[in-house]
Amino acid sequence: QSVLIQPPSTSGAPGQTVKMFCYGDTSNIERNYVYWFQQLPGTAPKIIIYKNDERPSGVPDRFSGSTSGTSASLAISGLRSEDEADYYCAAWDDSLSGWVFGGGTRLTVL
Amino acid sequence: QVQLVQSGAEVKKPGASVKVSCKASGYSLTNYDINWVRQATGRGLEWVGWMNPNSGNTGYAEKFQGRVMVTRNTSTSTVYMELSRLRSDDTAVYYCATPGGDSDFDYWGQGTLVTVSS
Repeated sequence: QSVLIQPPSTSGAPGQTVKMFCYGDTSNIERNYVYWFQQLPGTAPKIIIYKNDERPSGVPDRFSGSTSGTSASLAISGLRSEDEADYYCAAWDDSLSGWVFGGGTRLTVL
Repeated sequence: QVQLVQSGAEVKKPGASVKVSCKASGYSLTNYDINWVRQATGRGLEWVGWMNPNSGNTGYAEKFQGRVMVTRNTSTSTVYMELSRLRSDDTAVYYCATPGGDSDFDYWGQGTLVTVSS
């Protein structure tokens, strides 16, 4: 059971906006930055959002992150077929003194 | 450019140990931490531990305490993750990752599949 909770799946049609969530608690999301990773099948994860809402160079501005209290969200607008992947949230946990990840949300582009 | 190249797949019996290597290039190993993350087939990501290659300081996830050890060889720019007393549920792809200015996980190795089977 992952410390950060993510719904296992979500879907959207091309061009639509999808929003996925990550639920934590006061020892992780509320106090520390949240990071989001995209993982395509058979590949290593790739950072797409860092420090809650920052995008690394090369990541389209269709991807955006936000936090509120003990939860975080990742929104993808203008959905494209290549966005179909698994998405993971992560944060440092002060109580565990380590990184914690969500179980991942699989995005299906219909 | 920053690259992390990991050792090849391993097959081990329950109770054995495995040592996975992660060779860094394109930067000085001692400048940045190395994290280890694993992923069982069809499952999510799980943090294993980290090392500061400069100081040698390490930190491990509670569930791996006493079974994992991360070491380094600065002369070869290589970090090692050794997991002992292997069980079948340790079967996973093990990744090393390092910062690149944005996060602690900007650059990833290609992953090493460790299979534990009798």
